[in-house]
Amino acid sequence: AQKVTQAQTEISVVEKEDVTLDCVYETRDTTYYLFWYKQPPSGELVFLIRRNSFDEQNEISGRYSWNFQKSTSSFNFTITASQVVDSAVYFCALSSSNTGKLIFGQGTTLQVKP
Amino acid sequence: DGGITQSPKYLFRKEGQNVTLSCEQNLNHDAMYWYRQDPGQGLRLIYYSQIVNDFQKGDIAEGYSVSREKKESFPLTVTSAQKNPTAFYLCASSFRPGTGRSNYGYTFGSGTRLTVV
Repeated sequence: AQKVTQAQTEISVVEKEDVTLDCVYETRDTTYYLFWYKQPPSGELVFLIRRNSFDEQNEISGRYSWNFQKSTSSFNFTITASQVVDSAVYFCALSSSNTGKLIFGQGTTLQVKP
Repeated sequence: DGGITQSPKYLFRKEGQNVTLSCEQNLNHDAMYWYRQDPGQGLRLIYYSQIVNDFQKGDIAEGYSVSREKKESFPLTVTSAQKNPTAFYLCASSFRPGTGRSNYGYTFGSGTRLTVV
């Protein structure tokens, strides 16, 4: 069975702090894809990143960075120098290349205080 | 511009009523999905369809029904059998698995908030 676990339900930081959101996944597929989405209060899901199971290179995009470690089945997300606009719910998700279904974690609510 | 349109944004249902949520996409995506979001529970898959005239149950299909008569449309009906329908519903689409493009990403609509009154 496929499963995504985001153990952190809520995180609160002060602006300019760095924050890491954890994501651990389970799958028996050899080919799979991992995603991070941001959900602001308006409700729509904003795509942040996609990573396939064969690419363990870490990625940095501006203040965002992602650490994919297949050995620990983790795909963690770090925001550097957080800003109030980063406040949102963040979802980690796993997709099977066979079924195409996207399985979500429970989400982590990030609150960045000024 | 291409995208997914969900309507209405807010919907109120009386006890015992069926209601239908609309989802339309013009991205030429083969697959479409319906998710339900409750506070603290993330998003759970209700139904999904990989091609026209075919669909499969997700993890929480009881009390819901769908149809896929056109590639662009995947309406979701919340029936009176769904005992706790108050939630936020999100529709998504992607290319079909196996085409080599399915995991380029999923496009989501802006959601419908359903409330039982």
